[in-house]
Amino acid sequence: EAQVTQNPRYLITVTGKKLTVTCSQNMNHEYMSWYRQDPGLGLRQIYYSMNVEVTDKGDVPEGYKVSRKEKRNFPLILESPSPNQTSLYFCASSSTPRGSTKGQYFGPGTRLTVT
Amino acid sequence: AQSVTQLDSHVSVSEGTPVLLRCNYSSSYSPSLFWYVQHPNKGLQLLLKYTSAATLVKGINGFEAEFKKSETSFHLTKPSAHMSDAAEYFCVVSETGRRALTFGSGTRLQVQP
Repeated sequence: EAQVTQNPRYLITVTGKKLTVTCSQNMNHEYMSWYRQDPGLGLRQIYYSMNVEVTDKGDVPEGYKVSRKEKRNFPLILESPSPNQTSLYFCASSSTPRGSTKGQYFGPGTRLTVT
Repeated sequence: AQSVTQLDSHVSVSEGTPVLLRCNYSSSYSPSLFWYVQHPNKGLQLLLKYTSAATLVKGINGFEAEFKKSETSFHLTKPSAHMSDAAEYFCVVSETGRRALTFGSGTRLQVQP
């Protein structure tokens, strides 16, 4: 089954404690992306990757890092989380940035709370 | 620069009545436009996409949208709402040559029995 998986699904942490949210896709997609979703703001893109070792900033990259060492994985790293990073995070993948006929495939989301 | 405005944050309709979710976009170049749906506690799913072919685009679950360049609009419609249509809907734009998508703030659709 084609899918994008994220772990963990829920995370509560404290300010300053480094964390990583993993994202993996099994569709051999070249394009992967991270979004955060906040009430009234829709989804905002954090980082995206066109292929292995190729990453670029989205609209809200501050406080985040990513890496793309393998095609299937695209982890999101918060080196020093702050309360304003409390949000719902989605990973997405597709064959191209705009997606094919089915658009981008989204993961189930990770709800992060930073206290 | 690309941007998208969803004109209603909440829309409430009765089951069996038409649905209209409004979206206006801004784009310097030929845009691709999308509608995604998010059901409660779920990820997002593509409803339909416009990529400069036919201006009337048909999607899944009976939804369709019409691209109107003169009005810079891409409104989503459905002739008859079903209870299962209750969800949040996002209008999305991507300019030719850009590698990023820009999402609208979302419209929450309620369907009353």
